Amino acid sequence: AQTVTQSQPEMSVQEAETVTLSCTYDTSESDYYLFWYKQPPSRQMILVIRQEAYKQQNATENRFSVNFQKAAKSFSLKISDSQLGDAAMYFCAYRSAQGNQGGKLIFGQGTELSVKP
Amino acid sequence: DGGITQSPKYLFRKEGQNVTLSCEQNLNHDAMYWYRQDPGQGLRLIYYSQIVNDFQKGDIAEGYSVSREKKESFPLTVTSAQKNPTAFYLCASSPGVAGVPSYNEQFFGPGTRLTVL
Repeated sequence: AQTVTQSQPEMSVQEAETVTLSCTYDTSESDYYLFWYKQPPSRQMILVIRQEAYKQQNATENRFSVNFQKAAKSFSLKISDSQLGDAAMYFCAYRSAQGNQGGKLIFGQGTELSVKP
Repeated sequence: DGGITQSPKYLFRKEGQNVTLSCEQNLNHDAMYWYRQDPGQGLRLIYYSQIVNDFQKGDIAEGYSVSREKKESFPLTVTSAQKNPTAFYLCASSPGVAGVPSYNEQFFGPGTRLTVL
């Protein structure tokens, strides 16, 4: 079974600085998808960024980028120029590419990010 | 607007009662999911459905039941057999069709907070 681990329960960053959130996963599959979701105080889950395992190039979305290390099974999220609105719980998630897995997501425990003005 | 709605936002249950959480989507998505969120544990999958009239158990299905009679609706019933139902419940949907650009992405509703009195 696949597992996702976020070893940093809490992180803090100064406004305008850069922060990196860590995520490791365990799988025997070669084809899968990885996601970072943001959950602000409203508790609405928002997709931040996604990475296809077959792509070597790291995904980027504006100030958000990932460092995907497939061999190491590592998927970290870098937030540049942090803003107060980035304060939230961040979840790393894994999705198998196998059709018989139903597209379900496996989540890590989450990292609470606070942004200091 | 297209999206996922969950109702009610807050729900209180007495001991021994069954309660039903509503989840409706107008995104024309094939797949729907129910997750439970507890503090420090991330999201865990309860049930999922890839097509109408079919659904599968997730990792923590005991004490829960679902139905999928319509494509747009996937209600979750928390039965009296669920011994610790106090949690935040999130419903999600996904296109479920390969070839659609966002087919591997899940879209989440705003959630329902269930409290046992």
